[in-house]
Amino acid sequence: DQQVKQNSPSLSVQEGRISILNCDYTNSMFDYFLWYKKYPAEGPTFLISISSIKDKNEDGRFTVFLNKSAKHLSLHIVPSQPGDSAVYFCAAKSQTGANNLFFGTGTRLTVIP
Amino acid sequence: KAGVTQTPRYLIKTRGQQVTLSCSPISGHRSVSWYQQTPGQGLQFLFEYFSETQRNKGNFPGRFSGRQFSNSRSEMNVSTLELGDSALYLCASSPQGIYNEQFFGPGTRLTVL
Repeated sequence: DQQVKQNSPSLSVQEGRISILNCDYTNSMFDYFLWYKKYPAEGPTFLISISSIKDKNEDGRFTVFLNKSAKHLSLHIVPSQPGDSAVYFCAAKSQTGANNLFFGTGTRLTVIP
Repeated sequence: KAGVTQTPRYLIKTRGQQVTLSCSPISGHRSVSWYQQTPGQGLQFLFEYFSETQRNKGNFPGRFSGRQFSNSRSEMNVSTLELGDSALYLCASSPQGIYNEQFFGPGTRLTVL
């Protein structure tokens, strides 16, 4: 049962434009959400996170939005750069004390120069 | 600080054999989690160790086991290997506390023939 879903397996965006990656979750116990970026043959790299007490968190070109009522979060990258081309994973965890992350299946972002 | 290191990076085994993978967390991190990444299932949580104790376990058969040493280094073992165990095995470390992001190593690519 996939508790975190990324329904778009791939996304192509022109350099300089906005990239929007989406993620949905089903478990209402999730209260901390993270985005990771992954290049081939490397482990995922942490990008940005958001707690359920917030609806937005910004870090440079990256902004994550959380809509708890819709159980939806999104990652905005503005402006997109060719170096952003990678697979992006959404992950979630709950406040029960367990430290395990539930991951989505990933979205491959391609930024076209 | 040095990042999370995993050894070996690549491994080829045959069905029925067993394998041990090693992970050294970031200095000062006491939590170590293991994940399996496959094309079909994405990133799935195996187990987490904290202070030498398994704190949480994912939905994997008993052939998958692990341990953590007093210096926080961790090993995972897979016995009686099956073809379906071919995957990228990722280790992640995090500081104490459930709202800290996890930092991933580069992974061990296991191929079972």
